[in-house]
Amino acid sequence: KAGVTQTPRYLIKTRGQQVTLSCSPISGHRSVSWYQQTPGQGLQFLFEYFSETQRNKGNFPGRFSGRQFSNSRSEMNVSTLELGDSALYLCASSYGTNSYEQYFGPGTRLTVT
Amino acid sequence: GQQVMQIPQYQHVQEGEDFTTYCNSSTTLSNIQWYKQRPGGHPVFLIQLVKSGEVKKQKRLTFQFGEAKKNSSLHITATQTTDVGTYFCAGPDTNAGKSTFGDGTTLTVKP
Repeated sequence: KAGVTQTPRYLIKTRGQQVTLSCSPISGHRSVSWYQQTPGQGLQFLFEYFSETQRNKGNFPGRFSGRQFSNSRSEMNVSTLELGDSALYLCASSYGTNSYEQYFGPGTRLTVT
Repeated sequence: GQQVMQIPQYQHVQEGEDFTTYCNSSTTLSNIQWYKQRPGGHPVFLIQLVKSGEVKKQKRLTFQFGEAKKNSSLHITATQTTDVGTYFCAGPDTNAGKSTFGDGTTLTVKP
């Protein structure tokens, strides 16, 4: 089975711009979660999508949003980028919303200058 | 809010020595997961524990879930250089999240 894929792998953006990241889960997995990883804050939960609906949301500002498509692929969007948004954004897929066994993609390394 | 804490933050060992990392939750967990992240990589799922007092082994790795389901440990016997990385524990978030991750224990192994 193919693993979780994320595109792009690396991004450099300027403050104030917006960015869209993409995630394709493992085939058959319907839950996709997004995490932000930084050296200082560790792994922070952003949101989870299941069956095209946001099921859970972490404590992040409204500039962070996401969506899920009918094929379970997911995108997350960050608007009005700030320097502090520089991080590794990880997508994780799991079978269902009550499944905590998560499989992570390689991540998108976002640098905001 | 719910907190998941791991100790130690860093551990440096000589190859062949044993290693243990501990995970403690501020709330009772229905289950707990362990992940390993190699330098420059992404977290990789290792195992899930569900039952109180459960012990599972994967080759040189032994995972334990506490009787009260608020703590867990990962023990590596006779470390190898391939064990290098950060080990995270995670549990279901009781506050409208998916999972709460500990801050991880970073293991370095000197050959």
